[in-house]
Amino acid sequence: EAAVTQSPRSKVAVTGGKVTLSCHQTNNHDYMYWYRQDTGHGLRLIHYSYVADSTEKGDIPDGYKASRPSQENFSLILELASLSQTAVYFCASSDAGGPNSDYTFGSGTRLLVI
Amino acid sequence: GEQVEQRPPHLSVREGDSAVITCTYTDPNSYYFFWYKQEPGASLQLLMKVFSSTEINEGQGFTVLLNKKDKRLSLNLTAAHPGDSAAYFCAVSAGNYKYVFGAGTRLKVIA
Repeated sequence: EAAVTQSPRSKVAVTGGKVTLSCHQTNNHDYMYWYRQDTGHGLRLIHYSYVADSTEKGDIPDGYKASRPSQENFSLILELASLSQTAVYFCASSDAGGPNSDYTFGSGTRLLVI
Repeated sequence: GEQVEQRPPHLSVREGDSAVITCTYTDPNSYYFFWYKQEPGASLQLLMKVFSSTEINEGQGFTVLLNKKDKRLSLNLTAAHPGDSAAYFCAVSAGNYKYVFGAGTRLKVIA
């Protein structure tokens, strides 16, 4: 069954430390996305990618890097984690970048920065 | 850019009652609209995708209305039951990769 798998499911990180969130999809989708969800807010786009070895900035890229080493894998990297990056992070994939595509979301990663 | 406002942020209804959630958007060029359901601790599940050409869309136990003149999208859960308790998010697309999400509505259905 096609899916988007995120790891870890939850993580506690120390301020200033490096955090890597991983995402793996078996949908054979070209597009992958990283969103963050804060309490009381909708999802906001951090980075996305439409091809391996290339990433693009979303609406809130500051403080985050992304890596797409293959079609299946997309990572979000926090080089210097900060308290404000405590949130739930969702990875998603889609078969095309246009609005006719359907997103498949992962189960989310709960990140707590202390 | 596109902005989406979703109301209400919290909604509590009794089992069997209807529940209405509304999103207003700003970009008149938006033409794809989505409703997602998120149960506690889970991911987002697509409820319905709506095209701008269709004003009324019916799903299993709910209706989605699109008013393009007022730039308003609504989700009406008819005869809500406890299994409908979840967070609901609208999303709007103006024709590219990006979805703009509403802030969500936390719905609680009381038995």
